[in-house]
Amino acid sequence: AQKITQTQPGMFVQEKEAVTLDCTYDTSDQSYGLFWYKQPSSGEMIFLIYQGSYDEQNATEGRYSLNFQKARKSANLVISASQLGDSAMYFCAMRSLMKTSYDKVIFGPGTSLSVIP
Amino acid sequence: DSGVTQTPKHLITATGQRVTLRCSPRSGDLSVYWYQQSLDQGLQFLIQYYNGEERAKGNILERFSAQQFPDLHSELNLSSLELGDSALYFCASSARSPDRGSSYNEQFFGPGTRLTVL
Repeated sequence: AQKITQTQPGMFVQEKEAVTLDCTYDTSDQSYGLFWYKQPSSGEMIFLIYQGSYDEQNATEGRYSLNFQKARKSANLVISASQLGDSAMYFCAMRSLMKTSYDKVIFGPGTSLSVIP
Repeated sequence: DSGVTQTPKHLITATGQRVTLRCSPRSGDLSVYWYQQSLDQGLQFLIQYYNGEERAKGNILERFSAQQFPDLHSELNLSSLELGDSALYFCASSARSPDRGSSYNEQFFGPGTRLTVL
């Protein structure tokens, strides 16, 4: 069965420092996509970054980068130069790209990040 | 503003009742996804539609049903409501092609409908 694990329920980081949020996944699919979402206290879900299972390079989007280690089945999110506005819940998610379970999406339990001034 | 609209924003109802949540995707997006976010279950994928057809099913209860209309808006119907159905229900849309080889298109989430069952 597919599963996403985020082992850090809560994290603290000093403003302007970098932080890594962990995500490991379990799937037997050959083709899948991994992504991260941010949910601030206001409740909206904000897409951050995407990594395809066949992408050879790690994805980057501004201050966000995804440390993808396929053999270890991990897709950690790295936020550089943390800002106070980064304080939020962060969800790792996986989408199957296999025809049999096309587009099915699962989310991890989330990590609450607090940025300290 | 993601461009995805959901109505109503808040809904309070009683056990045993039926409600309908509505979602309008971003202009041009053909895929609509429904999610349930509760404190004990986290964020759960319910169902996805692409251009009017059901594409993928997640942890959607039999008491729940959804459809996507020709104008691409979608409705999620929740019936025989229980206390445990209280949650934030999100709709998301994407322009994603159904072809397996296509690159991923991000999902744009609506603001959610907060359902409270008393």
